[in-house]
Amino acid sequence: SQQGEEDPQALSIQEGENATMNCSYKTSINNLQWYRQNSGRGLVHLILIRSNEREKHSGRLRVTLDTSKKSSSLLITASRAADTASYFCATPLTANRDDKIIFGKGTRLHILP
Amino acid sequence: SQTIHQWPATLVQPVGSPLSLECTVEGTSNPNLYWYRQAAGRGLQLLFYSVGIGQISSEVPQNLSASRPQDRQFILSSKKLLLSDSGFYLCAWSPGGGQNQPQHFGDGTRLSIL
Repeated sequence: SQQGEEDPQALSIQEGENATMNCSYKTSINNLQWYRQNSGRGLVHLILIRSNEREKHSGRLRVTLDTSKKSSSLLITASRAADTASYFCATPLTANRDDKIIFGKGTRLHILP
Repeated sequence: SQTIHQWPATLVQPVGSPLSLECTVEGTSNPNLYWYRQAAGRGLQLLFYSVGIGQISSEVPQNLSASRPQDRQFILSSKKLLLSDSGFYLCAWSPGGGQNQPQHFGDGTRLSIL
């Protein structure tokens, strides 16, 4: 079963607007990652946020983590056509000390010109 | 810098035929290696995980197998493909040594079974 669930499943916005995607998960985690996937390509790692962090920035990306609500959000500011992609959150698969992660089903983001 | 190569990019195979997909990583040593399958419009399902040569963990029961004959080489195989094996297969690596490590993906192989 999926650990993380992204919301919404699909999102269309005008270029220049901000895009917000959410991820909810079920069990305690020590980190959460966000990835982007362009159509027909592999995933690209965007940001990793640890459980002791509440917010993290990378360029136009802002990620928040609320461990009390078991949720995270990814904000893309001033969206561009090149941001059109699917976005996935990923959380550790097990409590063991390995790197296995489990992905949600993703949010498909479409930036309209 | 590290790079990951995955081939072929697309593959069309008849039911019952064998399969071999290859993935190699350059520029790093002792990586953790992963094979995922992605169904259309869905998230990724972890198929195999490897922390070293000859060390393979199978995550789901299936018709596929994996091998790691060299440190930076990961191979996905099948003796007889099923229709249900169709999908987008992705190889990934992460630095060995524990949690909190981002994964880096190849560009995938689109496998169609006829």
